[in-house]
Amino acid sequence: DGGITQSPKYLFRKEGQNVTLSCEQNLNHDAMYWYRQDPGQGLRLIYYSQIVNDFQKGDIAEGYSVSREKKESFPLTVTSAQKNPTAFYLCASSIGAGRVQETQYFGPGTRLLVL
Amino acid sequence: KQEVTQIPAALSVPEGENLVLNCSFTDSAIYNLQWFRQDPGKGLTSLLLIQSSQREQTSGRLNASLDKSSGRSTLYIAASQPGDSATYLCAVTAGSYIPTFGRGTSLIVHP
Repeated sequence: DGGITQSPKYLFRKEGQNVTLSCEQNLNHDAMYWYRQDPGQGLRLIYYSQIVNDFQKGDIAEGYSVSREKKESFPLTVTSAQKNPTAFYLCASSIGAGRVQETQYFGPGTRLLVL
Repeated sequence: KQEVTQIPAALSVPEGENLVLNCSFTDSAIYNLQWFRQDPGKGLTSLLLIQSSQREQTSGRLNASLDKSSGRSTLYIAASQPGDSATYLCAVTAGSYIPTFGRGTSLIVHP
């Protein structure tokens, strides 16, 4: 089946710890995105990547980092600098960020909780 | 900066009712508008995508309209069912090619 997978479903972070959220897609999409969703809020863009080895900051990039070494993978690291990381994290992909005819496909999400 | 507003924030209706969800956006120079559905604790699923040159799109009991000049879109759900209960999000794509999302409308359809 084609789609986007995210792991783990739940992730617990201790004070001062960096944690990495996984996002993998087998749709052969060029563009990938990371969003943060807080209760009652819309999706806020953290980072996006239009092509391998390139990525751009979104609206709330502080305290997060990403890499895009492979087309199918776009991991997100939540660093200790992110003081309020508790949220639902969603990964998405699309054929290409410049292809406005195309929709985004979303993964099932990772819920990050602070211990 | 594009702002997307969805009204109402929450809606509870009896089964069988026809209902309308509203989305407004501040910058009318958009490429497209999308409606998504999100079930609790899940990712988003695309329902309908309307290109800027289109006025509406239909899929089953769903109909979405777009009025660029007034910065508005509506999602019409006919003959609502309990399975329609979810949060519905509107997203607008403009110059940056990155969608801007509204906060969503939380819908409950009770039997």
